[in-house]
Amino acid sequence: EADIYQTPRYLVIGTGKKITLECSQTMGHDKMYWYQQDPGMELHLIHYSYGVNSTEKGDLSSESTVSRIRTEHFPLTLESARPSHTSQYLCASSNTGGIADTQYFGPGTRLTVL
Amino acid sequence: AQKITQTQPGMFVQEKEAVTLDCTYDTSDPSYGLFWYKQPSSGEMIFLIYQGSYDQQNATEGRYSLNFQKARKSANLVISASQLGDSAMYFCAMRDEPGEVGYSGGGADGLTFGKGTHLIIQP
Repeated sequence: EADIYQTPRYLVIGTGKKITLECSQTMGHDKMYWYQQDPGMELHLIHYSYGVNSTEKGDLSSESTVSRIRTEHFPLTLESARPSHTSQYLCASSNTGGIADTQYFGPGTRLTVL
Repeated sequence: AQKITQTQPGMFVQEKEAVTLDCTYDTSDPSYGLFWYKQPSSGEMIFLIYQGSYDQQNATEGRYSLNFQKARKSANLVISASQLGDSAMYFCAMRDEPGEVGYSGGGADGLTFGKGTHLIIQP
């Protein structure tokens, strides 16, 4: 059972606001990921990190940014939210050398930008 | 590039019946892993089962088994004795993996997902 947390679970916000989506894991996993999922669609990788001070962009271009200052924490920030950012954002983590390097997901944040 | 195809957008199954969810994949990597996740309406992604490309036997986890046919590039999920709580979206996913040969070592370790199958179990 994974111990990975995301806050807030739901966020409705106006255009132009700065937002930060929080993701924390207590498993000591070295790798962390952010995926974006539109309703009824597949997940797309937008950011990942191999460890502290490591961040990379994923396959899907995103205006969001991430940071990894602590192993357990991988927040995602949108400097100026727009309606096109409305989506579900899922955070995941995995452990190098773990079984299949399986990614475990948090509960997700459903973001609505008005 | 990797690609996952799930051809069943939705399925209705009677409770207690077995169900097979189809997944085909395409990759040029010699070593890869295949995963199935369940996503209930609440939104979280729940890991179900994993199959490595070099595994000789099909993976099983409780009521879940993976019918892996490497030559056909298919990795179908089989759920035995379906239950009402199995109603959810099911996603097949894959990633390149370190293996005995051919691991590129580059690029994201992220998963490539299919579009999913919406499974509804009827009483």
